[in-house]
Amino acid sequence: EAEVAQSPRYKITEKSQAVAFWCDPISGHATLYWYRQILGQGPELLVQFQDESVVDDSQLPKDRFSAERLKGVDSTLKIQPAELGDSAMYLCASSLADYATYNEQFFGPGTRLTVL
Amino acid sequence: QKEVEQDPGPLSVPEGAIVSLNCTYSNSAFQYFMWYRQYSRKGPELLMYTYSSGNKEDGRFTAQVDKSSKYISLFIRDSQPSDSATYLCAMSRPDSNYQLIWGAGTKLIIKP
Repeated sequence: EAEVAQSPRYKITEKSQAVAFWCDPISGHATLYWYRQILGQGPELLVQFQDESVVDDSQLPKDRFSAERLKGVDSTLKIQPAELGDSAMYLCASSLADYATYNEQFFGPGTRLTVL
Repeated sequence: QKEVEQDPGPLSVPEGAIVSLNCTYSNSAFQYFMWYRQYSRKGPELLMYTYSSGNKEDGRFTAQVDKSSKYISLFIRDSQPSDSATYLCAMSRPDSNYQLIWGAGTKLIIKP
């Protein structure tokens, strides 16, 4: 069964360091999402891609966060510099069709980030 | 006020009990209503989704939407210890690219 892959699964870093997360969506899925989930809360959308284009990054803290999906397949989310408040689970999800219709989102296992 | 409200629990019930999980929402434009299950240290997985009002059944799970009251429910019959997880409701509407708006999740514990 096809799955969304994420790495690393766990990351511990010190504040002010740079971190990067990688996501490989299900093959053929055009839409890719990055979410942040703080413990005890629902996921919060950070950025949405349609192929290689950003559809929505209004909730992405652009002073420190960046995301790219250069070839419209896998994606990288970067934080530089990391702050204590960035400690959370970072989830990647993908869906089959374009963002103009409802499609099920499939989630990866997430990357749990701890900033010390 | 959050667009979607969900009691975080935890909700603890004995094995075999009927479980009722609920969310309320404020935006009447929501059209799709989803329930996700999330095990510890894992990503959410879709359990069920419904479009507009009504009931939908899938095995031991029933999803119910009441748009007039802006209230959705998930019922689990014959609950099992393996159902212990966090259950998240999510909703979407066409005027926002069908982006998901999430509840906080309810932690469910089924005691053997």
